[in-house]
Amino acid sequence: EVRLVESGGGLVQPGGSLRLSCAASGFTLSDHYMDWVRQAPGKGLEWVGRIRNKANSDTTEYAASVKGRFTISRDDSKNSLYLQMNSLTTEDTAVYFCARVYCSGSNCPWGKAYFDYWGQGTLVTVSS
Amino acid sequence: DIQMTQSPSSLSASVGDRVTITCRASQGISNYLAWFQQKPGAAPKSLIYGASSLQSGVPSKFSGSGSGTDFTLTISSLQPEDFATYYCQQYNSYPLTFGGGTKVEIK
Repeated sequence: EVRLVESGGGLVQPGGSLRLSCAASGFTLSDHYMDWVRQAPGKGLEWVGRIRNKANSDTTEYAASVKGRFTISRDDSKNSLYLQMNSLTTEDTAVYFCARVYCSGSNCPWGKAYFDYWGQGTLVTVSS
Repeated sequence: DIQMTQSPSSLSASVGDRVTITCRASQGISNYLAWFQQKPGAAPKSLIYGASSLQSGVPSKFSGSGSGTDFTLTISSLQPEDFATYYCQQYNSYPLTFGGGTKVEIK
């Protein structure tokens, strides 16, 4: 059974940093692209970013709203995905979800780059 | 960025009703369109990918259609467990973008 479990959320002051983790089980993490998606309280879903798999050199993509402040990384040996968040503002307050991208291996065309599994999310609150 | 516009933003329906939600992309996205269901306090659940293909385990009362810029999600016979918020999402290009959501409420 595929399982994704986020952790690391909490209360942080504006300007602070936080690192979220996503523990993966039930599949081979190294095969898959992985994404972070967030949801501000009472709002819709917002894509944060993506990290490709090892076969695609673990390259990353980010939303403009977080580029230069957030960094996605992975440690496949620990079956874990990370989101390092720096220079946090109140606008970053949200539940953060990790999500698995369906395709695996070296070839991941757009037609197969859809989400199939989601974690339960972890709440990040940025407030003084 | 590709803008995704869902309509309506909310709707009231009765158990047994047929419900249709629309999603429009600001530019063509082929069939790279997914639908998600989210209940309060829970993670999104993947329903449909490729505009019309059901994710594993999703009941056939859910169906999707469309290509290019216009898409629909249909629930053939609404059941109590289907009351939730539904989101469309394009995965044609970065940044990935979601529609604003459609809240399906009990009439």
